[in-house]
Amino acid sequence: DAKTTQPTSMDCAEGRAANLPCNHSTISGNEYVYWYRQIHSQGPQYIIHGLKNNETNEMASLIITEDRKSSTLILPHATLRDTAVYYCIVRPNAGNNRKLIWGLGTSLAVNP
Amino acid sequence: DSGVTQTPKHLITATGQRVTLRCSPRSGDLSVYWYQQSLDQGLQFLIQYYNGEERAKGNILERFSAQQFPDLHSELNLSSLELGDSALYFCASSSQLAGPGELFFGEGSRLTVL
Repeated sequence: DAKTTQPTSMDCAEGRAANLPCNHSTISGNEYVYWYRQIHSQGPQYIIHGLKNNETNEMASLIITEDRKSSTLILPHATLRDTAVYYCIVRPNAGNNRKLIWGLGTSLAVNP
Repeated sequence: DSGVTQTPKHLITATGQRVTLRCSPRSGDLSVYWYQQSLDQGLQFLIQYYNGEERAKGNILERFSAQQFPDLHSELNLSSLELGDSALYFCASSSQLAGPGELFFGEGSRLTVL
């Protein structure tokens, strides 16, 4: 499966948009981009996933570049409760979830 | 609330001992996954069960074993515990064996080996 590269840490002011980048330059055509987050040692929480179109749900927006080599997770109005580690993962459409490779993610700190 | 229940939440034990961690997946989910997360590390896949059958093994030590019961709950058994086994152990479930779809994680069991 394709690997991902994320910044180790980021800061964001409360109420502002948090834009978390992810590089997945070796992504294959059938691989989805998934985002999860983990709030202080709690279980990881699914946020969003996409293949090539931009996606939006109640939690966030996912912007995938046209060449699919990178993506950005956008939290439109970050709150203190969004402070967490955010994981960007790619996996095949038909692949098993066991193949998810969890890196160290981006530690996002939302500041008051 | 993800719908995945893990017990116990915290466990402190001594080296050489054996513990059992329990997981109840979301209602209707057939796949159960176990992950280990050591301090400041990413999640490491241990093992997967689907409808009672072992489907995949990751970096699971021989001292560790797991099973999924007919009611779909799962147990992870850790024996001959070592200090390095101290970690968070997460269970996750999904409705599918493969294909797109998210994993739903429990809150984890924090194991401390003294």
